[in-house]
Amino acid sequence: EVQLVESGGGLVQPGGSLRLSCATSGFTFSSYTMNWVRQAPEKGLESVSAMTESGGSTYYSDSVKGRFTISRDNSKNTLYLQMNNLRAEDTAVYYCAKGHRRDGYSSWGQGTLVTVSS
Amino acid sequence: DIQMTQSPSSLSASVGDRVTITCRASQSISNYLNWYYQKPGKAPELLIYAASSLQSGVPSRFSASGSGTDFTLTISSLQAEDFATYYCQQSYSNPPTFGGGTKVEIK
Repeated sequence: EVQLVESGGGLVQPGGSLRLSCATSGFTFSSYTMNWVRQAPEKGLESVSAMTESGGSTYYSDSVKGRFTISRDNSKNTLYLQMNNLRAEDTAVYYCAKGHRRDGYSSWGQGTLVTVSS
Repeated sequence: DIQMTQSPSSLSASVGDRVTITCRASQSISNYLNWYYQKPGKAPELLIYAASSLQSGVPSRFSASGSGTDFTLTISSLQAEDFATYYCQQSYSNPPTFGGGTKVEIK
């Protein structure tokens, strides 16, 4: 069974940092592009970042470019998102999702809530 | 960025109804279009990829079509578990933008 479990969310002050993790199991992690997608309260979905299988190619939305860094450890089957200089508008549930966009995101974690507030 | 526009933004329907949701892209995206559904408090789930391919395990009452800029998702006979919010996503280019969502509610 494919499982993705996010952790690391919480309450942080504006300008602060958080590191999200997505621990995976049930599939060959090193064979898949992985993604971070967020959803602000009562809003729609936004693709935040993606990283290819070997980590050789990454994508960031304009809204997080220069502040967030995606990484992965294929030996630990884990995806990360380092979030720096957080802003109130980064408040959202952050999901990790498996798969290249062309094939659709076939599996998602349960999400972790990030709240940026003073 | 490619903008994705869904309509309607919400609809009310009864169990057994045929429901159609449309999604329009701001430029041609060929067949690079995915559909997801999301229940409150839950993660999204993939329904359809490449405009018309049913994801494994998704019931056959779901179907989708389209190419270029105009796409549709159809539920042939709405079931109780289908009341949710549906999102389209273009997968043609980065950023892989989502539509604003269509909330399907019980009439």
